[in-house]
Amino acid sequence: AQSVTQLDSHVSVSEGTPVLLRCNYSSSYSPSLFWYVQHPNKGLQLLLKYTSAATLVKGINGFEAEFKKSETSFHLTKPSAHMSDAAEYFCAATGNQFYFGTGTSLTVIP
Amino acid sequence: DAGVTQSPTHLIKTRGQQVTLRCSPKSGHDTVSWYQQALGQGPQFIFQYYEEEERQRGNFPDRFSGHQFPNYSSELNVNALLLGDSALYLCASSLVLGGRITETQYFGPGTRLLVL
Repeated sequence: AQSVTQLDSHVSVSEGTPVLLRCNYSSSYSPSLFWYVQHPNKGLQLLLKYTSAATLVKGINGFEAEFKKSETSFHLTKPSAHMSDAAEYFCAATGNQFYFGTGTSLTVIP
Repeated sequence: DAGVTQSPTHLIKTRGQQVTLRCSPKSGHDTVSWYQQALGQGPQFIFQYYEEEERQRGNFPDRFSGHQFPNYSSELNVNALLLGDSALYLCASSLVLGGRITETQYFGPGTRLLVL
């Protein structure tokens, strides 16, 4: 069965420091993988997606993610956090439907 | 370019009532999916509509039903509301290319349903 696990429910970083949000997937094949961001009382905005091309994927707002098949991971990173990055982040994978993780809440400390 | 729109933004109902939520897909998109997002959780797939038919369904009871219109807009209906149906309901649209539904989905802002 396909599933997505986000390893941290909450992450807190200082402004200007790197961000790492972790995601592992479980699938019998290489799925397409996505990261979405959700600001309070808003819908989901696509940050980036991996669809079996380059394993390092660049997204919007300086985010990127690396697909590692051997580790079944798709962690999201950003070199320098900005206050506006504070939000909920969801990792998702395709299978016979779209599977979402339970989310990681990112807090950015000024 | 119009994105995905949903109405209403907020809704309050009582147990046992019925509710209808509406979604218009992103311009040029023809496939609509619905998700339920409970507080503090990730979105859960309810079902997906394409060519006015339900194509896939998640693990939701028959109280949840939907419809897609010829203009690709969609409705989500929930009957016999339970307290546990309180959630943010998200609509997402995507596109069929070459006979396949593309995987990238674009989400609307959601409808927040409160069942009392």
